[in-house]
Amino acid sequence: GENVEQHPSTLSVQEGDSAVIKCTYSDSASNYFPWYKQELGKGPQLIIDIRSNVGEKKDQRIAVTLNKTAKHFSLHITETQPEDSAVYFCAASLKGGRGGSEKLVFGKGTKLTVNP
Amino acid sequence: EPEVTQTPSHQVTQMGQEVILRCVPISNHLYFYWYRQILGQKVEFLVSFYNNEISEKSEIFDDQFSVERPDGSNFTLKIRSTKLEDSAMYFCASRVGGRDEQFFGPGTRLTVL
Repeated sequence: GENVEQHPSTLSVQEGDSAVIKCTYSDSASNYFPWYKQELGKGPQLIIDIRSNVGEKKDQRIAVTLNKTAKHFSLHITETQPEDSAVYFCAASLKGGRGGSEKLVFGKGTKLTVNP
Repeated sequence: EPEVTQTPSHQVTQMGQEVILRCVPISNHLYFYWYRQILGQKVEFLVSFYNNEISEKSEIFDDQFSVERPDGSNFTLKIRSTKLEDSAMYFCASRVGGRDEQFFGPGTRLTVL
């Protein structure tokens, strides 16, 4: 089955710097790659996603890139702010089951700390 | 903005007891999911549900687990006889038909003593 690896497990940056989190996936059939932000005590919140027919997507300070050949995708956060501090999870969607269940397979998460 | 809601936020139970975790998905969504997250670990898929039946389930989702959509709004996860290793955060998620995005609820923290 699909396996998603995520690095680094922790990342500490100064406010205003950029942060990059990288993920690799194993199943070339996966075609949807969301990123979630999880704050303490809350559920994962979708922040950006990308589909396999697109190489890059940007939303204000957040961007995601996808390299299908290498089977890796990355989250880029520019001009980081203290409120960006959270755990970030990447995921890959594997179509399967009746009705296209499209379960998400998650990476282990990256704890991002933005220091003021 | 519509949100997925879950109750209770925290459930404490004794080993061997039955628990029911409740979720109210976003109203026009058609696909429903349960995931769990053991403390400090990754979020793991448990089960997906569509058109009143299970679409897919993981190895974790054994005979002790069941899901139900008893009415037009609620989606429940039942654990018949809880084990210590069932202690985790349980997240409900939902998705509208024709789109990929899954929206997660705030979770229920289950503690089995």
